[in-house]
Amino acid sequence: EAGVTQFPSHSVIEKGQTVTLRCDPISGHDNLYWYRRVMGKEIKFLLHFVKESKQDESGMPNNRFLAERTGGTYSTLKVQPAELEDSGVYFCASSQPRGGMNTGELFFGEGSRLTVL
Amino acid sequence: AQSVTQLGSHVSVSEGALVLLRCNYSSSVPPYLFWYVQYPNQGLQLLLKYTSAATLVKGINGFEAEFKKSETSFHLTKPSAHMSDAAEYFCAVSDWKAAGNKLTFGGGTRVLVKP
Repeated sequence: EAGVTQFPSHSVIEKGQTVTLRCDPISGHDNLYWYRRVMGKEIKFLLHFVKESKQDESGMPNNRFLAERTGGTYSTLKVQPAELEDSGVYFCASSQPRGGMNTGELFFGEGSRLTVL
Repeated sequence: AQSVTQLGSHVSVSEGALVLLRCNYSSSVPPYLFWYVQYPNQGLQLLLKYTSAATLVKGINGFEAEFKKSETSFHLTKPSAHMSDAAEYFCAVSDWKAAGNKLTFGGGTRVLVKP
């Protein structure tokens, strides 16, 4: 079974440009999460989708960030316009709904490293 | 609000020696606790988890962790370090009452294993 895949693995852009990160969750996982790690800091929650709906977007830094999950499958995270402080590694994770014996464990992708110059 | 503190951003151990990574958490509700590992150029992989069952949790690759409510701790140990254990380790907490599994992470501890 394929794991969580993220694209691109690394993106280098100029300040002011736009970047779109993509995440393909594990098939059948309704929950999809975005996290970010800025260099030297903790991994921080950005937002949580349940299918195509945003369940919790309390961690989104500002309105330059837009996340979508059309059709409840893959998700995109767009940064427009990018600023220097947006540099970091963006992780995507997916999980099954919690219930019964299932504790809703998160499966993470390898991350997309964003460098804004 | 929940928070996690990992003591020591870098730990160096000799091959064959005990690995001890410290994690303390703060949570207003009974927590679920996790340890994740990130090997170079890879994603986060779950090592083990505590979900209110046994307080001593065994994970993959010989790691285990003990939930101590009185100390609000969930330290990770491995009796004998192997070179392949060199990685960054993250402790995380989630709120079991929440609909999802939103994780709050500690700052991470990078482990260096010396031959």
